[in-house]
Amino acid sequence: DIQMTQSPSTLSASVGDRVTITCRASQSIISWLAWYQQKPGKAPKLLIYGASSLQSGVPSRFSGSGSGTEFTLTINSLQPDDFATYYCQQYNSYSWTFGQGTKVEIK
Amino acid sequence: QVQLQESGPGLVKPSETLSLTCTVSGGSVSSGSYYWTWIRQPPGKTLEWIGYIFYTGSTNYNPSLKSRVTISLDTSKNQFSLNLRSVTAADTAVYYCARVVGPAESWGQGTLVTVSS
Repeated sequence: DIQMTQSPSTLSASVGDRVTITCRASQSIISWLAWYQQKPGKAPKLLIYGASSLQSGVPSRFSGSGSGTEFTLTINSLQPDDFATYYCQQYNSYSWTFGQGTKVEIK
Repeated sequence: QVQLQESGPGLVKPSETLSLTCTVSGGSVSSGSYYWTWIRQPPGKTLEWIGYIFYTGSTNYNPSLKSRVTISLDTSKNQFSLNLRSVTAADTAVYYCARVVGPAESWGQGTLVTVSS
């Protein structure tokens, strides 16, 4: 299985901050990477696919970059609605795997 | 817009079979574009892909669960189902069904299944 490692596990930030979350794959996944946002008691919501393509309806303050084994999710000008847990997921192989999550907390 | 809804027992005894159904509306499970998928999340933990079924009936399962999992399709009811055999407390989780085209673009709300006697 391809292992996905996110950092940090927890991130404290303020409204208006620029936030970056990193996801590393144990082997190359080209650009077959997605990012999800999950709020307590809710299903994950797709934000980014193909490492950098914004899902329809997702605010443009979210962006993704990277290829191969290293990827980032950036949130520009953090909004109150953005405090949540974020997961990366690879879909390069036929055995899909998720990162362990990054919780974005209010500072 | 497609909607997915999980249904099934919220409590299953150890060693028994966990059975869930996902009912799809606003789209067809017979569509050739999607993988109909089950994903779970134990309390406080990350997401784990269980497996998927394609409209042809072909399946692919997480190797760690493969010996215990069956996913099936019922096109007449526009549903797909999950059977997980010989459950233990480690299978306690919120179970989600999802429509996947590359990434998981549409999700059900999730259903908590607790394994306990």
